[in-house]
Amino acid sequence: GIQVEQSPPDLILQEGANSTLRCNFSDSVNNLQWFHQNPWGQLINLFYIPSGTKQNGRLSATTVATERYSLLYISSSQTTDSGVYFCAVSRNQFYFGTGTSLTVIP
Amino acid sequence: GAVVSQHPSWVICKSGTSVKIECRSLDFQATTMFWYRQFPKQSLMLMATSNEGSKATYEQGVEKDKFLINHASLTLSTLTVTSAHPEDSSFYICSARSAGGGAGSSYNEQFFGPGTRLTVL
Repeated sequence: GIQVEQSPPDLILQEGANSTLRCNFSDSVNNLQWFHQNPWGQLINLFYIPSGTKQNGRLSATTVATERYSLLYISSSQTTDSGVYFCAVSRNQFYFGTGTSLTVIP
Repeated sequence: GAVVSQHPSWVICKSGTSVKIECRSLDFQATTMFWYRQFPKQSLMLMATSNEGSKATYEQGVEKDKFLINHASLTLSTLTVTSAHPEDSSFYICSARSAGGGAGSSYNEQFFGPGTRLTVL
């Protein structure tokens, strides 16, 4: 299967700070998605981004498919951004990364 | 659009009983649905892939006789945990992939249900 590594595993930020989360994957894929898992377990779709750059409010993501990595940028972080961020890649099935646990403190 | 529901959201059962979890795509047709389980502080692990009208494909190490999957329609898949034991306690999450990129989605994009927390006593 495809190996998916995320870094950093844990991140603590002061409210208002910016951060970059990274996702490396071991093979070519036709889908990459970023998710935020809230404290109740719900996975929230952030981006469907097999390539290129997208922005949605304070969040943006870039995937460089040829170099097999993706970045998720969070600007002006808020306490509600806390939770676990997963990237997942697929050809025929999804392979999830190990996640980045983000804690934003006031 | 692209909403997936799961029912129940949580369930507590006695050891030896069976539990059925439903996964529905509410506003799109899903030819393929996926079932995952997640242990505390771990990532999601794919259990099986479910295609409408055909048998599910199980990942290595997942007992197909214990985790029965039925995908009877384009909007419903069910996972039945048979003869549940405490080690089956986990968070079970389903996802659905749109048949044709409808409901504002892209083909290959997956949408996840809210999950079902199973506790077996």
